[in-house]
Amino acid sequence: DSGVTQTPKHLITATGQRVTLRCSPRSGDLSVYWYQQSLDQGLQFLIQYYNGEERAKGNILERFSAQQFPDLHSELNLSSLELGDSALYFCASSAPGIDTQYFGPGTRLTVL
Amino acid sequence: AQSVTQLDSQVPVFEEAPVELRCNYSSSVSVYLFWYVQYPNQGLQLLLKYLSGSTLVKGINGFEAEFNKSQTSFHLRKPSVHISDTAEYFCAVSDNFGNEKLTFGTGTRLTIIP
Repeated sequence: DSGVTQTPKHLITATGQRVTLRCSPRSGDLSVYWYQQSLDQGLQFLIQYYNGEERAKGNILERFSAQQFPDLHSELNLSSLELGDSALYFCASSAPGIDTQYFGPGTRLTVL
Repeated sequence: AQSVTQLDSQVPVFEEAPVELRCNYSSSVSVYLFWYVQYPNQGLQLLLKYLSGSTLVKGINGFEAEFNKSQTSFHLRKPSVHISDTAEYFCAVSDNFGNEKLTFGTGTRLTIIP
């Protein structure tokens, strides 16, 4: 158990809908990262937050957005969903000055 | 920009045999290197990491990796594998200039044959 929690574990929805994925980092970790794992794209970095502020952006679509709240949990919002958005979405967290990212169990999103 | 190449998408190995999973990286700056393991239907677990210092890095579950700067490689090895090592293994890189995102390879599926 990495100490990073993600909810829900599974999500099934339809095209055009909007969903929110939630992540709680390990106690004391200020950085939260979101990654997408799909069969065709592999594991890709989406976005990083540090203590509530956006720190780095990767291959994140404009239909996707994220935020980190004062209690440090983070949410990834996916809107106007397409079939191709079906993937495993991982959240990871790290402590200040520490180079290791600890991953949550992931949320499997299926868009029908 | 950084990139990671995992040369083998699948590696079948007999139980108790040695294994090497290959990883090469490309970067214009100094890097940190990581190996993560993903067991079926689970998240990613850190096996080991290279930040600096000794080029031979030991990790959990008997795995080790050697950083070779001249060959830009970070191959993962285990002298004797077990059925429980069946999983997908990912090599990843980040730079050490404050850009903390991980760039992953495409993964190597290790299958242990009894």
